[in-house]
Amino acid sequence: DTAVSQTPKYLVTQMGNDKSIKCEQNLGHDTMYWYKQDSKKFLKIMFSYNNKELIINETVPNRFSPKSPDKAHLNLHINSLELGDSAVYFCASSHWAGGGTGELFFGEGSRLTVL
Amino acid sequence: QQQVKQSPQSLIVQKGGISIINCAYENTAFDYFPWYQQFPGKGPALLIAIRPDVSEKKEGRFTISFNKSAKQFSLHIMDSQPGDSATYFCAASMSTGFQKLVFGTGTRLLVSP
Repeated sequence: DTAVSQTPKYLVTQMGNDKSIKCEQNLGHDTMYWYKQDSKKFLKIMFSYNNKELIINETVPNRFSPKSPDKAHLNLHINSLELGDSAVYFCASSHWAGGGTGELFFGEGSRLTVL
Repeated sequence: QQQVKQSPQSLIVQKGGISIINCAYENTAFDYFPWYQQFPGKGPALLIAIRPDVSEKKEGRFTISFNKSAKQFSLHIMDSQPGDSATYFCAASMSTGFQKLVFGTGTRLLVSP
């Protein structure tokens, strides 16, 4: 049974479109994250939710809107897609262990290609 | 101050050799230093982590060496195997408040047979 699952695995879309990525974790964790990994493999945090509450919101364009309907789910909606949004988006979860010290469990990633 | 600098960017090691990846940080408030391993097409996974109260931590063939005064830490992979070929990320964080884990830029390791 997959611990952190995200769908879809691949998205190919045109500039200007809107897309969503869904994430679910069955680990019982209370904290979930979205990370962006670009073509150079840089991993950058975008958002973090603890018990459905937004706790980290990095400098991300407001075209990106996360939503956490419950502790086990964190979705990412992206409006008006741009070429620069092409990347692999990773969902992750952890137990809250103080600061940023909880072990992160990552999904397999969603590769977004904007044409 | 929030950056973690990682080197080298890529590394080729022969099977059985020692792989060494280095990281440096500036924020002295960091007190948690994990290493993550990422295979192609997969998400990163925690490999090993260290706190600054010890200078070394070993788990099997993987060792973290930590130098608090130099604000540096490194990952050593002994007897490197082709199955160790992956991208390795060092990271750092603080254990108080709502802090993010700051990742290094990654090192692509290739272990040749």
